[in-house]
Amino acid sequence: ETGVTQTPRHLVMGMTNKKSLKCEQHLGHNAMYWYKQSAKKPLELMFVYSLEERVENNSVPSRFSPECPNSSHLFLHLHTLQPEDSALYLCASSQELPERDLSYEQYFGPGTRLTVT
Amino acid sequence: QKEVEQNSGPLSVPEGAIASLNCTYSDRVSQSFFWYRQYSGKSPELIMSTYSNGDKEDGRFTAQLNKASQYVSLLIRDSQPSDSATYLCAGGNSGGSNYKLTFGKGTLLTVNP
Repeated sequence: ETGVTQTPRHLVMGMTNKKSLKCEQHLGHNAMYWYKQSAKKPLELMFVYSLEERVENNSVPSRFSPECPNSSHLFLHLHTLQPEDSALYLCASSQELPERDLSYEQYFGPGTRLTVT
Repeated sequence: QKEVEQNSGPLSVPEGAIASLNCTYSDRVSQSFFWYRQYSGKSPELIMSTYSNGDKEDGRFTAQLNKASQYVSLLIRDSQPSDSATYLCAGGNSGGSNYKLTFGKGTLLTVNP
């Protein structure tokens, strides 16, 4: 768990609140990800940043806004969420290996358990 | 066909037995496969990566990739109660982004003492 850290670990927020999730990776990786994990569903990729540039955006509602100020830090800004947004939000990181045309190993943080009331 | 399919289980094995977890995939999933272990209330932990046809062994874990039949398996030898967890299979995105992994829903494994 120390390779990728996330804060807060638990968050309860109302539908009108604004909050931010923070992720930090200590692995020297250059790509970072946000995933959503809901009960009974597979992990859903939300956003990917490579070298601080967004490279994937999987049709995520605009009430989720990512920010990547550098290759070690990733934020997910939340506003006017819905109860169905309650889930475990996971951050992950990976090291790009362009010389190998293979998918990258991704390492997850401990997650933020979000409850929207 | 769903891109990555796993039997949700639960799979129950006695301590010391071999646990076999299976995953099938569609053509849209590439030849990069990953197995993650997720304990209840925790995040996924990468335990095996496999890219080539055949077996890859790491300690008590063996990943078996069969491209012709489009399945990948994870064998856990000498299963321990501490292996009780949900195991997630993930495949890369064939012909597309190396960032995208498609995850199965996971198989719940219970190892009984």
